[in-house]
Amino acid sequence: GAGVSQSPSNKVTEKGKDVELRCDPISGHTALYWYRQSLGQGLEFLIYFQGNSAPDKSGLPSDRFSAERTGGSVSTLTIQRTQQEDSAVYLCASSLATEQFFGPGTRLTVL
Amino acid sequence: AQSVTQLDSQVPVFEEAPVELRCNYSSSVSVYLFWYVQYPNQGLQLLLKYLSGSTLVKGINGFEAEFNKSQTSFHLRKPSVHISDTAEYFCAVSAGGSSNTGKLIFGQGTTLQVKP
Repeated sequence: GAGVSQSPSNKVTEKGKDVELRCDPISGHTALYWYRQSLGQGLEFLIYFQGNSAPDKSGLPSDRFSAERTGGSVSTLTIQRTQQEDSAVYLCASSLATEQFFGPGTRLTVL
Repeated sequence: AQSVTQLDSQVPVFEEAPVELRCNYSSSVSVYLFWYVQYPNQGLQLLLKYLSGSTLVKGINGFEAEFNKSQTSFHLRKPSVHISDTAEYFCAVSAGGSSNTGKLIFGQGTTLQVKP
């Protein structure tokens, strides 16, 4: 079956612009996670959605970052007024139980 | 809160030799432990996990890991590596049992370089 998909695979933007990153989880998975992978910080948790519960936003680095999950499926991570330090690979994962299945990631480059 | 330390950033090893990638964790509650592998330009793939029960867990591609609660370790081992095992390996922890939210805390990663 289809795995987790993310789009775009690569995004180059200019400092100060807003970007939207999309994640399509595995069908039926109730939990969805966003992580960020960067050279300086490694793999960091950003935000977590579980069913209809309020999301756990404890990992978002600033109020420029936000995410939503519509209809319990697709999720969008939005970064406003991008900065160079936002350059990283943004990974999405979904799960039904303890194992998380990761997408290929979106590589974001902020010039 | 949980934290993970991977003690080696790079591990070079010759093909068919054994390898151990070290991982130590810290947590005030029970934990679930995971090893993920990331091949070049690919996403993360689960190798194995410890949730409860037997402390020796076996995963895909001939890898195994042992949960040692007293030493707070979860080292990954393979008795004989192949060139194709060259990749980055991540140890991860999440709060276990009723505290579990699934949120993973990752170590910094260990690059395994298998040489012919």
